[in-house]
Amino acid sequence: EDKVVQSPLSLVVHEGDTVTLNCSYEVTNFRSLLWYKQEKKAPTFLFMLTSSGIEKKSGRLSSILDKKELSSILNITATQTGDSAIYLCAVEGVISSGSARQLTFGSGTQLTVLP
Amino acid sequence: EAGVTQSPTHLIKTRGQQATLRCSPISGHTSVYWYQQALGLGLQFLLWYDEGEERNRGNFPPRFSGRQFPNYSSELNVNALELEDSALYLCASSLMISGRGWSNQPQHFGDGTRLSIL
Repeated sequence: EDKVVQSPLSLVVHEGDTVTLNCSYEVTNFRSLLWYKQEKKAPTFLFMLTSSGIEKKSGRLSSILDKKELSSILNITATQTGDSAIYLCAVEGVISSGSARQLTFGSGTQLTVLP
Repeated sequence: EAGVTQSPTHLIKTRGQQATLRCSPISGHTSVYWYQQALGLGLQFLLWYDEGEERNRGNFPPRFSGRQFPNYSSELNVNALELEDSALYLCASSLMISGRGWSNQPQHFGDGTRLSIL
């Protein structure tokens, strides 16, 4: 059974700090790893990492995939109060019928940024 | 561009009743996915529809079912509601590259339907 573990479960920092969120996975026939930000409702897509794209960056956020270690990190630099949210990691693998499209999510990291 | 839309926003039912949740995908997306997010638990995969067919389902009992319409919108039906069905139900959509079982396209989520069972 596919498994995704995120750490830490929660994190409290002050504005301006840099944070690193961790995600490790066990999945059959890995296809991609995705990061989402969930505030009150809909998870918002941040990054998708695959074998052909192991590093992504957008503004203050960046993510790296380590296929050897079966893990990924999400970095946020110069944090702001608006970064407060649950950050979800999900992994997509190929299911037995040969098709993918099943995401297995971790339990998330609750990030709180204090002013 | 309109995102994934779900209705209703909230739904209150009693045990044993049936619930119907609706989802409209992003224009051009043919795949629709349903997830359950219960309090204190992560997102659990429920169902995946593409081109009108059920492609995969998660570890949920048969009373969770759904369908996808020709316009790619989707319904999730939950029969014989139980207290533990209380959760946020999220719908997501994505592009699916024709001829492949998977594509490097992310899933985009709607705001969800909060289902409460009394």
